[in-house]
Amino acid sequence: NAGVTQTPKFQVLKTGQSMTLQCAQDMNHEYMSWYRQDPGMGLRLIHYSVGAGITDQGEVPNGYNVSRSTTEDFPLRLLSAAPSQTSVYFCASRRFGQYSNQPQHFGDGTRLSIL
Amino acid sequence: QKEVEQDPGPLSVPEGAIVSLNCTYSNSAFQYFMWYRQYSRKGPELLMYTYSSGNKEDGRFTAQVDKSSKYISLFIRDSQPSDSATYLCAMSAIEEGAQKLVFGQGTRLTINP
Repeated sequence: NAGVTQTPKFQVLKTGQSMTLQCAQDMNHEYMSWYRQDPGMGLRLIHYSVGAGITDQGEVPNGYNVSRSTTEDFPLRLLSAAPSQTSVYFCASRRFGQYSNQPQHFGDGTRLSIL
Repeated sequence: QKEVEQDPGPLSVPEGAIVSLNCTYSNSAFQYFMWYRQYSRKGPELLMYTYSSGNKEDGRFTAQVDKSSKYISLFIRDSQPSDSATYLCAMSAIEEGAQKLVFGQGTRLTINP
């Protein structure tokens, strides 16, 4: 009964470092997405995927890369961390592909601080 | 102007009170409406999901949608301290061949024993 699992829960990076945030879901959901949550800004979509091998940009994609080699996993990579990327990152998934209004189910987030 | 407006609060009420949380929206393409609850240091958890105008009830929670006024509400009856959380509204439409899901900022709610 895991749902959406994110690792790590917390991370501190120095400016310029790279890292990968992991996300896995065990619900066989086609659609997966990454959001960042900042005070006063709400949840903003970074990247999403409608199935294995297919990814697309969301509202705030700059500085982030994604790939989707399996249905279960959707990692988010920060190529060269910047202080503006300090945030809480949430991974989410839902049934069906892009032509669906199904609600998304969220993981518990990764708190990332860039010094 | 944001597509979805939600008063961030904070909102503080005594235990047992009826709580009303609200969102307004400007995009008439939104057809599906959701309420999420987010506890501190946790991810958003889906509470209610509705499509049509009118009321949908689930235990102590009632979601209300008025598409003509572009206004949605979440009512919590007999509020409990365990209801203390941030509540996010979200709205969905299919635009340009993909789901467009927009969240409100969230309202921070505290229920005082």
